[in-house]
Amino acid sequence: GAVVSQHPSWVICKSGTSVKIECRSLDFQATTMFWYRQFPKQSLMLMATSNEGSKATYEQGVEKDKFLINHASLTLSTLTVTSAHPEDSSFYICSARTHSQGAGQYFGPGTRLTVL
Amino acid sequence: GQQLNQSPQSMFIQEGEDVSMNCTSSSIFNTWLWYKQDPGEGPVLLIALYKAGELTSNGRLTAQFGITRKDSFLNISASIPSDVGIYFCAGPPGGATNKLIFGTGTLLAVQP
Repeated sequence: GAVVSQHPSWVICKSGTSVKIECRSLDFQATTMFWYRQFPKQSLMLMATSNEGSKATYEQGVEKDKFLINHASLTLSTLTVTSAHPEDSSFYICSARTHSQGAGQYFGPGTRLTVL
Repeated sequence: GQQLNQSPQSMFIQEGEDVSMNCTSSSIFNTWLWYKQDPGEGPVLLIALYKAGELTSNGRLTAQFGITRKDSFLNISASIPSDVGIYFCAGPPGGATNKLIFGTGTLLAVQP
């Protein structure tokens, strides 16, 4: 149980284009989903917290107009990187949890974004 | 902000050896989580700790919630090649339950 999927697993795009990444909880309903970014050889950094049906809460330093988050249902959240630039190239990972799971979060397999 | 520092940064061991790593914080945590991340994949939850002093096992893995609530330890006994990966501790900052901060990570390499 507690399986989270992400799509696509990797994407290469041109600078200036937008990229959408999907995160789905496959076998449970996620009241909250989280988006992280991980640069090579570094830890996971939380970008934003997304609650179903409400606006995402962004961490300090994360531009909400650049990283658009939509959590339209209890099983789907999307992250759109708008006007992507090479410095946005990173590993983007989502996670999901329900209230019954305590503080533990279940992570997706990640999406590798490369912006040329 | 709160930070979780892990030690050691990396370990290179022989198959069969036991491994110990720790995670420390300057502030108190009410929950400690240990995750393992394989290259190019998302982290997988290994063990969750919810009470000071708690000792919990998951197969060859054992984790402890430090008495001071500012640290946690993870031990792996009789390591095998598939233990290779990065181990992260994580916890909810400021007592919140809705988000996690992650430690700096410990890279484990196991030589067969």
